[in-house]
Amino acid sequence: DGGITQSPKYLFRKEGQNVTLSCEQNLNHDAMYWYRQDPGQGLRLIYYSQIVNDFQKGDIAEGYSVSREKKESFPLTVTSAQKNPTAFYLCAIAGVPSYNEQFFGPGTRLTVL
Amino acid sequence: QQQVKQSPQSLIVQKGGISIINCAYENTAFDYFPWYQQFPGKGPALLIAIRPDVSEKKEGRFTISFNKSAKQFSLHIMDSQPGDSATYFCAARPGSARQLTFGSGTQLTVLP
Repeated sequence: DGGITQSPKYLFRKEGQNVTLSCEQNLNHDAMYWYRQDPGQGLRLIYYSQIVNDFQKGDIAEGYSVSREKKESFPLTVTSAQKNPTAFYLCAIAGVPSYNEQFFGPGTRLTVL
Repeated sequence: QQQVKQSPQSLIVQKGGISIINCAYENTAFDYFPWYQQFPGKGPALLIAIRPDVSEKKEGRFTISFNKSAKQFSLHIMDSQPGDSATYFCAARPGSARQLTFGSGTQLTVLP
């Protein structure tokens, strides 16, 4: 937690709808990450961004999109192409000099109805 | 491809006992190995981390043991307490990368 906020805490979506999860930070860290957490599968990287206007796909990017228009914001859109979107989504940040420690936000639990 | 294998999936320990969680990796380029602790409904938080130039690191009741030749590392929680009940994740990162690879997690329950 700390300087990372995620909203909303809970989100419900009907099938076929796109939804956007918010991640904001005030720690001036360069790198931001989105993870998906499912029971028994740990944390899987969806997308990450090291600088504004640049981002890279992680291991499970299909069905998701991101933008990084501002250093402090890294929203994640779960599109209708994501076949099984119900999960706990975590945003994380990391910064200089080593990017070793990732600080996680409180998470958003998305449920598809 | 799972690059960090974590075991056991769940662990039940009596109060005062020792909890041991193990991780194994394949990528020899990994040079940073953190452990994260996650309470239900919360984001993970960094607990302790180690680099391969040392074989052990201790912080309070938490110790990481590292075996470079076997490509294994483990978390030991001494004098386990009910408040330690949480999910623990190991992770690894190669020196050139800025993202972590996580293990699948271990749900620890410490009985009072």
